[in-house]
Amino acid sequence: GAGVSQTPSNKVTEKGKYVELRCDPISGHTALYWYRQSLGQGPEFLIYFQGTGAADDSGLPNDRFFAVRPEGSVSTLKIQRTERGDSAVYLCASSPSFGTDTQYFGPGTRLTVL
Amino acid sequence: KQEVTQIPAALSVPEGENLVLNCSFTDSAIYNLQWFRQDPGKGLTSLLLIQSSQREQTSGRLNASLDKSSGRSTLYIAASQPGDSATYLCAVRQSGGSNYKLTFGKGTLLTVNP
Repeated sequence: GAGVSQTPSNKVTEKGKYVELRCDPISGHTALYWYRQSLGQGPEFLIYFQGTGAADDSGLPNDRFFAVRPEGSVSTLKIQRTERGDSAVYLCASSPSFGTDTQYFGPGTRLTVL
Repeated sequence: KQEVTQIPAALSVPEGENLVLNCSFTDSAIYNLQWFRQDPGKGLTSLLLIQSSQREQTSGRLNASLDKSSGRSTLYIAASQPGDSATYLCAVRQSGGSNYKLTFGKGTLLTVNP
């Protein structure tokens, strides 16, 4: 595709439920990033993949959050036992190879936990 | 820990006015600095990227400057138009081991009135 795509664009769930957010990076990009943007804040780093492996997951807030990228392309961010504080826009970005390449952002998934 | 601050938080100007958005950062050991635009419900669009060795970058009506030693950057928008209305985010990339992470400010919400 032409750019980074994310699905769903909006997700409403109830407290305690499990959710999965998907990111399709630009074809051929080996580096992939997840950021979280809470209302009125700038995006905050969550995790960085280089290929299939998570090179840095230090931004994940707790063990309810997990992300995978099994084939080095599509990535899924998984949130267990959602809490109201998890409500935010989750942004995905990709870059061609090295971590210092320009990051191209997707439109984000707006997650609302009721 | 790097902290990025953007002033003002919001700005409303009449069409045609020139304006300046400010960004400051606490750790001058940066790899580069980037200005993004964010429209409601959409992802981040990169506007200008300034490498740490550069002083400024220009694209059309936009000019971004960087003073690394003082930890400051400005985004100058000439002859503003209603279509410039958006949130503008400043992000820095650290030099060193975690140079894939972007640290963002909270953004400046710009409204250009016809």
